Amino acid sequence: AQSVTQPDIHITVSEGASLELRCNYSYGATPYLFWYVQSPGQGLQLLLKYFSGDTLVQGIKGFEAEFKRSQSSFNLRKPSVHWSDAAEYFCAVVGSGNTGKLIFGQGTTLQVKP
Amino acid sequence: GAVVSQHPSWVICKSGTSVKIECRSLDFQATTMFWYRQFPKQSLMLMATSNEGSKATYEQGVEKDKFLINHASLTLSTLTVTSAHPEDSSFYICSEGGVFPDEQFFGPGTRLTVL
Repeated sequence: AQSVTQPDIHITVSEGASLELRCNYSYGATPYLFWYVQSPGQGLQLLLKYFSGDTLVQGIKGFEAEFKRSQSSFNLRKPSVHWSDAAEYFCAVVGSGNTGKLIFGQGTTLQVKP
Repeated sequence: GAVVSQHPSWVICKSGTSVKIECRSLDFQATTMFWYRQFPKQSLMLMATSNEGSKATYEQGVEKDKFLINHASLTLSTLTVTSAHPEDSSFYICSEGGVFPDEQFFGPGTRLTVL
């Protein structure tokens, strides 16, 4: 069965520091992968997605992610974190069967220190 | 991207009552909508897939008689929590299905508290 694991439940970084959020997936075929951010009072917003092609994907708000098939990973990175990046981050994969159903990881809470 | 709204944004009800949550696609005709449930500090768990004009498809372990889903039009899907109990208290989120495998667009969520 497909699954997504985000090993880090909570991460704290200083403003201006770099960030990497980990995501590992279990999926038999080529996965369709997403990173979403959830801020209080707002719906989940798509940061970036990977379907095929270039394994380094650029997203909004200065985020990028790299798909590594050999490691079954899709880690999210940002070179310099801003205080407004504090939020909950979810990695997700589309489940099998072409139904569009998303399987989410447990989420990582990002706290940004001034 | 598409805009999805939910109403109400929060609701408090007494145990045993029913609560209806609306999910509207404001600028896109959505043949498919998804309903998720999110417990505090936890991930989103898919409850059901709502298909316009047909019965919803429920995930394993989700009681279809308790969580009634109606998708009567291309812009509106509703989730009714029947005979709600405190354990049904949660954050309910809907999303517009989009075109596979493209992104889903999420509503802001509805916080349900059952006393």
